[in-house]
Amino acid sequence: GQQLNQSPQSMFIQEGEDVSMNCTSSSIFNTWLWYKQDPGEGPVLLIALYKAGELTSNGRLTAQFGITRKDSFLNISASIPSDVGIYFCAGQEYGGSQGNLIFGKGTKLSVKP
Amino acid sequence: DTGVSQNPRHKITKRGQNVTFRCDPISEHNRLYWYRQTLGQGPEFLTYFQNEAQLEKSRLLSDRFSAERPKGSFSTLEIQRTEQGDSAMYLCASSFNPWGQDNGYTFGSGTRLTVV
Repeated sequence: GQQLNQSPQSMFIQEGEDVSMNCTSSSIFNTWLWYKQDPGEGPVLLIALYKAGELTSNGRLTAQFGITRKDSFLNISASIPSDVGIYFCAGQEYGGSQGNLIFGKGTKLSVKP
Repeated sequence: DTGVSQNPRHKITKRGQNVTFRCDPISEHNRLYWYRQTLGQGPEFLTYFQNEAQLEKSRLLSDRFSAERPKGSFSTLEIQRTEQGDSAMYLCASSFNPWGQDNGYTFGSGTRLTVV
């Protein structure tokens, strides 16, 4: 089935650095969502995007819904240790089920040793 | 409201046994979703309910899997004759209807199933 391509797969951060990750699809999406998941927990919604071109911020996080409706990115500014975790993009495909979110494989954020 | 609650948090079972998981959604949400997540992957959709009606089932939901939401409140997911490939985190989520802005799509903490 449809999958989202999320990159990078993993990255190391130093406190204070800005972080960028993105997600692309082969088809048009109506909705893009960004989640963070800590070990042993469920995903927690960070930002939701509902219109092409929409740019939304949540504190140090900023996400955009791509104009083509086939991509989205998430930026984290001035990272802090608690930003460590796995970030997932997810979306609802245009013409798809209203119950079915499609997820990427995640971007794992770790602290530089 | 304490959010979406899932029980148990962890389950270890022998291959061939049946297991049942429970999900209690946010009380005012009328939609409830089940997902499965294996290691290193994102969650994959299994099925969803609007009130007590099961509106969609993924092809991942084999005939050994059954989900119910008898009174439109809590839901159960049963796996019969478990196989090692069923080992995964089973996530429940709930939301308002219809799909769209501020529908409150919220996940629970999941049930980790290990089949030995």
